[in-house]
Amino acid sequence: GNSVTQMEGPVTLSEEAFLTINCTYTATGYPSLFWYVQYPGEGLQLLLKATKADDKGSNKGFEATYRKETTSFHLEKGSVQVSDSAVYFCALRGGGTGGFKTIFGAGTRLFVKA
Amino acid sequence: ETGVTQSPTHLIKTRGQQVTLRCSSQSGHNTVSWYQQALGQGPQFIFQYYREEENGRGNFPPRFSGLQFPNYSSELNVNALELDDSALYLCASSSGTGQETQYFGPGTRLLVL
Repeated sequence: GNSVTQMEGPVTLSEEAFLTINCTYTATGYPSLFWYVQYPGEGLQLLLKATKADDKGSNKGFEATYRKETTSFHLEKGSVQVSDSAVYFCALRGGGTGGFKTIFGAGTRLFVKA
Repeated sequence: ETGVTQSPTHLIKTRGQQVTLRCSSQSGHNTVSWYQQALGQGPQFIFQYYREEENGRGNFPPRFSGLQFPNYSSELNVNALELDDSALYLCASSSGTGQETQYFGPGTRLLVL
């Protein structure tokens, strides 16, 4: 079945450092891909999405490109801030037998130090 | 536009009890899904409702059940609570049952003692 694998955390960076969180997926067909963010004690917020190959999702300085050839959707940000400290989840929905549920990676916790 | 809302925010129950969690979907959304998120893990799909019918279910036992109402709001019911049911329960709504984006509520944190 469909699945998502993302890099284990925690990731600790200094403010203004470059961020990459790796995400790869397994799916038949062409799922939609997402990054969600979860701040302490809160629910999930959609950060960005891409619905087809080579699409780039972007929001609040974060970017991710849907790479069909490498089945990847890595999250990047050029200069992180303390307020970016949170848990980031890569996810997919749809695609062949994946159906209707959103499938999540295990999450990557990011700590940003001032 | 009103987002997804859930109630209550926190709940404490004892083993063997029953609980009902509630969710109001985002305006214009007809599909609601429920997820369980254990501490330190990603959300796991419980089931989805579309037009008041359950149209998909994850690997959860029958004591997890739900309803969807004509206004697309939804309930999650859990009977015979177990300690392992302690988790954050997330409701998500979307405009369809395919690859549309699911928008999540703030969650209900359930503690079973």
